[in-house]
Formats: sequence, structure tokens, C-alpha cells
Amino acid sequence: DGGITQSPKYLFRKEGQNVTLSCEQNLNHDAMYWYRQDPGQGLRLIYYSQIVNDFQKGDIAEGYSVSREKKESFPLTVTSAQKNPTAFYLCASSIRLRQETQYFGPGTRLLVL
Amino acid sequence: AQSVTQLDSQVPVFEEAPVELRCNYSSSVSVYLFWYVQYPNQGLQLLLKYLSGSTLVKGINGFEAEFNKSQTSFHLRKPSVHISDTAEYFCAVSSETSGSRLTFGEGTQLTVNP
Repeated sequence: DGGITQSPKYLFRKEGQNVTLSCEQNLNHDAMYWYRQDPGQGLRLIYYSQIVNDFQKGDIAEGYSVSREKKESFPLTVTSAQKNPTAFYLCASSIRLRQETQYFGPGTRLLVL
Repeated sequence: AQSVTQLDSQVPVFEEAPVELRCNYSSSVSVYLFWYVQYPNQGLQLLLKYLSGSTLVKGINGFEAEFNKSQTSFHLRKPSVHISDTAEYFCAVSSETSGSRLTFGEGTQLTVNP
């Protein structure tokens, strides 16, 4: 079955620790996205990538980093510089930019110990 | 810049009643509009989208939405809801100038009561 997988489902971060959230898609999509979801705030775009080895900052990129070394993979690192990382993180992909439907993964919930 | 406002944060209804979830947008250029549904602790699933053409768009699970350019609205409707429709619903907009970047509203929690 084609789709987007995110792992882990739950992730715990200690103070000063970097953590990496995995996102993999087998839909052969060019574009991939990372969103952060907080209660009552909808989804906010962290980073997005149009093609391999290229990515752009979204609206709330500070404290996060990404890489796009393979078409199917777009991992997100939450660095220690992100002071309020507790949130639900959603990865999405689309065929290409411009009006195409974005397909979402099941999400990773990040909690701070 | 584009923005989306979902006018109701919570909508409680009884089973088999009709429902309307309201969405207004602002943009200086032509827009593309989407409604997504999110069940608890899951990702988002597309309900329907408006790209061009007929202003009445039909989606999955019996939902439909109407694009109204003069009122800059894209309200979601269903004539008779089920318990299983209980979820959070998000309206989103993109445009030619934003590429495929979606701007989401803050969401409307639909709760269907027996």
C-alpha cells in the first residue's frame, strides 16, 4: 500500500537534547512538508522541500532543521534551540507544487520530560 | 498574503441534523480551497477541494462545499450527520503566488451527539 509513514508515534525529549522525527513516503511524490499542530492553532508550516537536496523555511522554522537526501525521506530534527517543542508533528507530501492535494502521515507526538 | 478564518471553533449537533462549518478566506489573487478532516490522534484526510469550474464541490462521506467568490467563503455542509462524523475539520487555502503552500484555519471541532 502506498502512503506516508511517520515514526515514532510518541517521542520524549530531555532538556538540551536534539531529536529526529522520521517521515517516509512511497507515493513517488516530489514535494514534502513538515507541520506543527498545537491545540486551537491549526497547522503551521515548519519546512518544505520541492525536490531532493532542496528545502525552504516555512513560517516557524526556528529551532528546527531538515534534510532531503532521498526523494522518499524528509526527516525533521527538533534542536535544543526550540524552547517549546511539545506538539503534534505532521508530515505531508504532494505530487508537485501548485494546487496538488497534500497527503498526510499519521503524526508524531513530541513530549518534553 | 493569504489567510483563513474558521468562524466557529466548536459545533455541537444532534445525529441526523444538518450541519454547516463556515470558512472565510482572504487573498489578493485567485485561490484554491480545501477541506480536511482529522480524527483524534491521526493525520489529515482530504474531504474535498475547489480548484476551478463549478462552485459546488462534492466530497467524500456526503460532504459538499460551495465556493462564493463575492463573499470570499467556502462553507462545508452535510445534510444529515452521523456519530462517526465527530472530528476536527480544517479549511485551507493556496494560490498561484503561494505555490502549493497551504494556509490552514484554526479548525472546527464537530461533535455529533446521539
